[in-house]
Amino acid sequence: DAGVIQSPRHEVTEMGQEVTLRCKPISGHNSLFWYRQTMMRGLELLIYFNNNVPIDDSGMPEDRFSAKMPNASFSTLKIQPSEPRDSAVYFCASSTHMTGKETQYFGPGTRLLVL
Amino acid sequence: AQTVTQSQPEMSVQEAETVTLSCTYDTSESNYYLFWYKQPPSRQMILVIRQEAYKQQNATENRFSVNFQKAAKSFSLKISDSQLGDTAMYFCAFMKTNTGNQFYFGTGTSLTVIP
Repeated sequence: DAGVIQSPRHEVTEMGQEVTLRCKPISGHNSLFWYRQTMMRGLELLIYFNNNVPIDDSGMPEDRFSAKMPNASFSTLKIQPSEPRDSAVYFCASSTHMTGKETQYFGPGTRLLVL
Repeated sequence: AQTVTQSQPEMSVQEAETVTLSCTYDTSESNYYLFWYKQPPSRQMILVIRQEAYKQQNATENRFSVNFQKAAKSFSLKISDSQLGDTAMYFCAFMKTNTGNQFYFGTGTSLTVIP
């Protein structure tokens, strides 16, 4: 099993540019989560999907952030326009609803730096 | 609302010694799951151990074990024979059942293993 795959692993961009982060969950998992981690705010849940449907996006900081999950094997988190305060590590995680196996598995993260 | 509290921001332990990391949580649920995750300097989030609330037996994984006290809502992690590779941030997490596997994370404990 390849685990959760995220791309890119590192992204450096300039303020005002659009940033798209990508995630491929573990095959067969039906929940997907996007997190942001910073020194100041720790690990924050941005949004999560069940069976490709967004369930809770209350953690999305503002309208500049959007997330989609067009199918069970792909999700994107988009920031448009990006700002320096968006600099963080963004994690994607997936899990299954199979009884006894409800655990979140994390991708390696995307380190985003907005100049 | 669910809350997870890790009251020790930083800890250190001598190599080969034993250390215990504390975690408390607040919930009105009777059935749930608890987790410890390790985040080394690489920033990868790695599952260390998982406990199901309906199981009275404490979970163990090699040198890692938990002390789960359901009535006290306490879930501490014990690391035996500490190794330099155990140096990392450790996060405690709580998950209700039947909620799409949403996690609630503590703020983390930074553990340093001293040679």
